[in-house]
Amino acid sequence: KAGVTQTPRYLIKTRGQQVTLSCSPISGHRSVSWYQQTPGQGLQFLFEYFSETQRNKGNFPGRFSGRQFSNSRSEMNVSTLELGDSALYLCASSFWGGGEAFFGQGTRLTVV
Amino acid sequence: DQQVKQNSPSLSVQEGRISILNCDYTNSMFDYFLWYKKYPAEGPTFLISISSIKDKNEDGRFTVFLNKSAKHLSLHIVPSQPGDSAVYFCAARVQGAQKLVFGQGTRLTINP
Repeated sequence: KAGVTQTPRYLIKTRGQQVTLSCSPISGHRSVSWYQQTPGQGLQFLFEYFSETQRNKGNFPGRFSGRQFSNSRSEMNVSTLELGDSALYLCASSFWGGGEAFFGQGTRLTVV
Repeated sequence: DQQVKQNSPSLSVQEGRISILNCDYTNSMFDYFLWYKKYPAEGPTFLISISSIKDKNEDGRFTVFLNKSAKHLSLHIVPSQPGDSAVYFCAARVQGAQKLVFGQGTRLTINP
């Protein structure tokens, strides 16, 4: 069974630009969550989607948004990038939102 | 406020001995606890979990203990192997939501 797949693995963007990251969950998993990891703040929850609906949201500005498609694949978008958005963005999937969450390899975003 | 704390940023253990990683939490609304292992620039790998209604869960070399009255959990690895060297994160799931709150991580080094 394939794991959680995130694309791209690495990304360099300029301040003010926007970026879209993609996540394909484990087959059969319907819940997808997104996390940001930075050296200063650690791993922080961004949002969670289940059956194309956002169920939970973390404390991030509205520049961070996401969506989920009918095949459970998810995208997150960051608009008007700031230097502080440089981080490892991780996607996690789980069957129904409870129990274990399995993470992808992450997308390393660098904003210059 | 940080609701999940791993107070030891690093731990060094001799190969073959027991590694004990600790985690404290402050929120009684957590219903599920998980341990992840992480290498740099990769996503966390799920290790073991425990429901808040249990006090112990064992899987091979890994055992997690939960002390609800002390709001404390620990991960025991025995025997420790060089491949166990990584950063370990404990995470707590908010009751009723697929939202994980992570500790800051403990870097475990297994010495031959």
